[in-house]
Amino acid sequence: RKEVEQDPGPFNVPEGATVAFNCTYSNSASQSFFWYRQDCRKEPKLLMSVYSSGNEDGRFTAQLNRASQYISLLIRDSKLSDSATYLCVVIKNYGGSQGNLIFGKGTKLSVKP
Amino acid sequence: EAGVAQSPRYKIIEKRQSVAFWCNPISGHATLYWYQQILGQGPKLLIQFQNNGVVDDSQLPKDRFSAERLKGVDSTLKIQPAKLEDSAVYLCASSLSVYEQYFGPGTRLTVT
Repeated sequence: RKEVEQDPGPFNVPEGATVAFNCTYSNSASQSFFWYRQDCRKEPKLLMSVYSSGNEDGRFTAQLNRASQYISLLIRDSKLSDSATYLCVVIKNYGGSQGNLIFGKGTKLSVKP
Repeated sequence: EAGVAQSPRYKIIEKRQSVAFWCNPISGHATLYWYQQILGQGPKLLIQFQNNGVVDDSQLPKDRFSAERLKGVDSTLKIQPAKLEDSAVYLCASSLSVYEQYFGPGTRLTVT
């Protein structure tokens, strides 16, 4: 089983739609979780962290379910500029602030006018 | 603030040739990472440096890949000899902590 698995996508949605991405991780000891965004032929950039209590940033909401080892990202009122690949990321910790990122394959979102 | 710099941006080589990539991290970032991103996949960590020491190189194909970070700043990643399956984007990232990594623009390698 892969360490981080995501919906295969692609997701093709009209502007204004609500879209949700799911992600599961295999290592129950994982401590930290993120969503990164990667535009076509660009580098990944941090979108938001994911907390057990859930967190919201404007139109974006991230949720973590530790019991199910499941992470989600909800995008409301999709914009054309949201078109990108969304990468689910889990940290493999070494201790302290050290560790490295384990990336999922990514889910491609295409928002159409 | 200047971001992570990488060069070259693109490289085309024939299989069995050698290639080297260079990375200059954000000033003050002690941790530097090299990732390989194959088309349609997420980035995969190749090697992680803390200053000029290696923290994790468990996924680096050491028979052909090598990396160094002299003086704890710039880093180079080398492939010798290259194989067709090495075609990918090589991303360098740096961070103060693992919780937010900053990626460079990447080097797109094509092996023919």
